[in-house]
Amino acid sequence: GESVGLHLPTLSVQEGDNSIINCAYSNSASDYFIWYKQESGKGPQFIIDIRSNMDKRQGQRVTVLLNKTVKHLSLQIAATQPGDSAVYFCAEKDAGGTSYGKLTFGQGTILTVHP
Amino acid sequence: EAGVAQSPRYKIIEKRQSVAFWCNPISGHATLYWYQQILGQGPKLLIQFQNNGVVDDSQLPKDRFSAERLKGVDSTLKIQPAKLEDSAVYLCASSRFRDPAADTQYFGPGTRLTVL
Repeated sequence: GESVGLHLPTLSVQEGDNSIINCAYSNSASDYFIWYKQESGKGPQFIIDIRSNMDKRQGQRVTVLLNKTVKHLSLQIAATQPGDSAVYFCAEKDAGGTSYGKLTFGQGTILTVHP
Repeated sequence: EAGVAQSPRYKIIEKRQSVAFWCNPISGHATLYWYQQILGQGPKLLIQFQNNGVVDDSQLPKDRFSAERLKGVDSTLKIQPAKLEDSAVYLCASSRFRDPAADTQYFGPGTRLTVL
């Protein structure tokens, strides 16, 4: 059978808990950082982004933190719900030179929310 | 507004056969991307179009993969001949191109290709 997600980090939480998903990025020249949610059988869905000159940005139930010193990005989900269960990808974008907004995706994290 | 449309959703072929995927981006989006997503990995960019011109195809295996966007709207991605390692989900995405840095890319549901 298929070996789905055997090499992806996993996070299991109870419904109502807060979740924190982490990501390390590689390109210090990246201008934007984006979090995508991907449910089974669907394409990635935009959640939130943050520009490199910011260190925190909040959305509805989600917060993204950026630490450029250690090239680390995190996504915090408040009051996690079963519908939040999915694979979460961070992506970085370098708008300079010939990159033209090219997205480079990091390793995903499987989030499982138990009712 | 309608999202990115892709077809077919699933395709099973034998190695050395050819296959084509179709994408219709969000109306008004000038930039179109094709990504390959191998099971358990993040999407990897294959080719990026700006209107009907290619901006970046550095990661496209040009000996077997080709893509076109003749009228600057719909796009097709073709593989000929297919290899076993081409088994993956092929995702199409589009963005407005007002600002390449800030533009959000919106993804379609993808085409799952299985090569036997």
